[in-house]
Amino acid sequence: DIQMTQSPSSLSASVGDRVTITCRASQSVSSYLNWYQHKPGKAPQLLIFAVSSLQSGVPSRFSGSGSGTDFTLTISSLQPEDFATYYCQQSYSTPLTFGGGTKVEIK
Amino acid sequence: QVQLVESGGGVVQPGGSLRLSCAASGFTFSSYAIHWVRQAPGKGLEWVAFIRYDGSNKYYADSVKGRFTISRDNSKNTLYLQMNSLRAEDTAVYYCAKGGDLRFLVDYWGQGTLVTVSS
Repeated sequence: DIQMTQSPSSLSASVGDRVTITCRASQSVSSYLNWYQHKPGKAPQLLIFAVSSLQSGVPSRFSGSGSGTDFTLTISSLQPEDFATYYCQQSYSTPLTFGGGTKVEIK
Repeated sequence: QVQLVESGGGVVQPGGSLRLSCAASGFTFSSYAIHWVRQAPGKGLEWVAFIRYDGSNKYYADSVKGRFTISRDNSKNTLYLQMNSLRAEDTAVYYCAKGGDLRFLVDYWGQGTLVTVSS
């Protein structure tokens, strides 16, 4: 199985801050790396697919980068509605696996 | 717009069974793969199962293999998860999620249904 490791597990930030979350795969996942946002009691939402492609309707302040085993999600200017938990996920092979999550909290 | 509505969750005793359903609308159900993903209380997301658009291929997480069965009825736009031999560690919110155009991508999720395994 491919293990996905996210860091940090949590962070505190202020509105307007630039936020970066990293994700490392235990082996290459090629470009099959996706990012999701999850708020309590809500359905998770796809933000970024295939490393850097923005899902329709997602604000452009979200961006993704990386290749092979190392990936990054960046929020260029944190907004109040962005406080949530973020997960990376590999869709290269089954079992599909998620990172442990990064909880973004208000400072 | 894509809608996925799960139902069938509840409280069940260890060793018991439960069948979850997921009613889909807003897209051509018979053209897309569907996944089940779960989240245990206080934990992260865990992929559970996948079924191809025509039901010809199914994959499972090791943690549920042999106990859970994913199936679909394309004439009813409905996905199912039959869960047998339930354990306390199966307690979670179960999400039905639509597959995307790329291999194994999950692009839209339902709101989830809670399954509690407890005596």
